[in-house]
Parts: sequence; C-alpha cells; structure tokens
Amino acid sequence: AQSVTQLGSHVSVSEGALVLLRCNYSSSVPPYLFWYVQYPNQGLQLLLKYTSAATLVKGINGFEAEFKKSETSFHLTKPSAHMSDAAEYFCAVSEGAQKLVFGQGTRLTINP
Amino acid sequence: EAGVAQSPRYKIIEKRQSVAFWCNPISGHATLYWYQQILGQGPKLLIQFQNNGVVDDSQLPKDRFSAERLKGVDSTLKIQPAKLEDSAVYLCASSLGAVTEAFFGQGTRLTVV
Repeated sequence: AQSVTQLGSHVSVSEGALVLLRCNYSSSVPPYLFWYVQYPNQGLQLLLKYTSAATLVKGINGFEAEFKKSETSFHLTKPSAHMSDAAEYFCAVSEGAQKLVFGQGTRLTINP
Repeated sequence: EAGVAQSPRYKIIEKRQSVAFWCNPISGHATLYWYQQILGQGPKLLIQFQNNGVVDDSQLPKDRFSAERLKGVDSTLKIQPAKLEDSAVYLCASSLGAVTEAFFGQGTRLTVV
C-alpha cells in the first residue's frame, strides 16, 4: 500500500528565504504525487501534481516540486517565501484509481 | 464554476448522539470522497464513491459510520452514535475521475462533548 512521510511537522523560514518542504513516498507502482495547501478553516487546495510527465513540476504561487524516483522523494520548494505562504502543506500519493493518501502535514511559518 | 459545497460548517453534539453531514460535489464529477481530518493530522480517507457505487470504504468504521450517494450526485455521511474521538473536520472532495485533481470543500468541524 502507498504511504507518505513528511519530514518536519513544523518549518519556519524568514520572509524572502528559500522554502523547502520534504516528502518521501512509498508506492508499489509508479505513483501520482500531489502537494496541497490548507489555510486555517479552509479545505485543501491543489498546489501542483506529478503524473509521470516532466519530473520538475511547477505549481501555483511560485511553488515547484521535483520527482526523484531513486530517492522516492517529491520535495516542495519556493525560492523566496512570502508572508502569505504561511499555511499547512500536505503531500499525497495516489496509485491509479486516485485513492489519495496524505502525509501528516507540515506547518509553514514565515518570520518577518 | 461552483466548488464543493458542504454543510453544516460547524456542529457540536454530545457523545452517543447522531449527526449527519451533507456534500454537493462539483457538477459532473463522478468521484466523491469523504475524509476525516483529526487535529494535527493529515486527512484520512473514509469512503470513496464512483458515481453512486462504493470504490473504497476500508477505513470507514461501519459500526457507527454510514454514507450514501443517491443518484450519483449529493452525498450524506452519518455518525450514530458519536464518540469523543470522532471530533474532527470532515472533508468532502470530488474529481472528474482517476488521476485528476480532487477539489475539496471547506469541511465540517465536528466537536463531540
């Protein structure tokens, strides 16, 4: 069965600094991978997805993620953090019929 | 396009009472999901529908939870009787089908006291 591990339940960066949120997955077949963002009292919004096309995926709000099969990783990055990026971020994996399995989440805090 | 609608947004009940949540997916979306998100955790899939058939309900506590999707559109999730550990946000999501983006509603925050 597929699973997701997000390293670091809480990440804090300064405004303008690099954002790096780590995600490792386990899947028995080529996976589909997703990053979602959740703002307080809101549902989840898709940031980006990997579906076996380009390994470097660009998403909304300046985020991107790189699929590395050899490392079973799908880390999320943004070159320069903005205060509005403060939120909870979830990595998710799907095998085929889109049963999305989520990681525990990483809370991103941006320091002024 | 209208998003996934859920109601109510908040609900407080006493343990052993029953409660129901409603979800209206995006028009035309064949797949509908119910997730449970306990505070500090990622969402956990409770049940997945494809049209009005159940694709996966392996993590649904069937002794107290039930869900239906009538006519392949709206869905209702019910808990009877509720336990303290059911306190969570219940998220509904829908998608066109396999490998497509799942769109989430704002969720229903349930507090069991």
